[in-house]
Amino acid sequence: SQQGEEDPQALSIQEGENATMNCSYKTSINNLQWYRQNSGRGLVHLILIRSNEREKHSGRLRVTLDTSKKSSSLLITASRAADTASYFCATEGTSGTYKYIFGTGTRLKVLA
Amino acid sequence: KAGVTQTPRYLIKTRGQQVTLSCSPISGHRSVSWYQQTPGQGLQFLFEYFSETQRNKGNFPGRFSGRQFSNSRSEMNVSTLELGDSALYLCASSIAGTSYEQYFGPGTRLTVT
Repeated sequence: SQQGEEDPQALSIQEGENATMNCSYKTSINNLQWYRQNSGRGLVHLILIRSNEREKHSGRLRVTLDTSKKSSSLLITASRAADTASYFCATEGTSGTYKYIFGTGTRLKVLA
Repeated sequence: KAGVTQTPRYLIKTRGQQVTLSCSPISGHRSVSWYQQTPGQGLQFLFEYFSETQRNKGNFPGRFSGRQFSNSRSEMNVSTLELGDSALYLCASSIAGTSYEQYFGPGTRLTVT
């Protein structure tokens, strides 16, 4: 079963605009990771944010985590055509579950 | 550093056969996880290994098995293949377990006919 649900399922924006996608999950977590996947290939790691962190940045990426609402958001600023991909959040539960549960993904299309 | 490698990249098998997939983690990484990705079910956790020990197994039938060697390389095996096993199989490695960044390989695309 999927714990994470991404919203929206699909997003289409113009190059240069910002893209925001959200992830909601159901149970307490140790950490949450965001990934990018191009056309059914392997997943590229973007950011890991731990449950005691509220915000992290990496280049044009900004991730926030609200554990009280069990949600996270990924913001891509000044998007480029190369950002076109599917984006997934993945959560690791507490108490040593040693696995990640992936969300359903957001398909982002950046138009040149 | 070389990334996670998976072999083979593509595989076509017939129902009833068995298959073995291989994953070589990033040098120095001791944890390897396996996931199955299908259009219908998305990314589903298969198992996680750390220092040759399986620490968790997902909700898959016993036909799915895996192991990890002393050099951290991992294999997964699927016996008695079914059409529904057609999927992209991804492995991920991390330096010391699932509380760290997970780096994925390119995957093995398995097609069962």
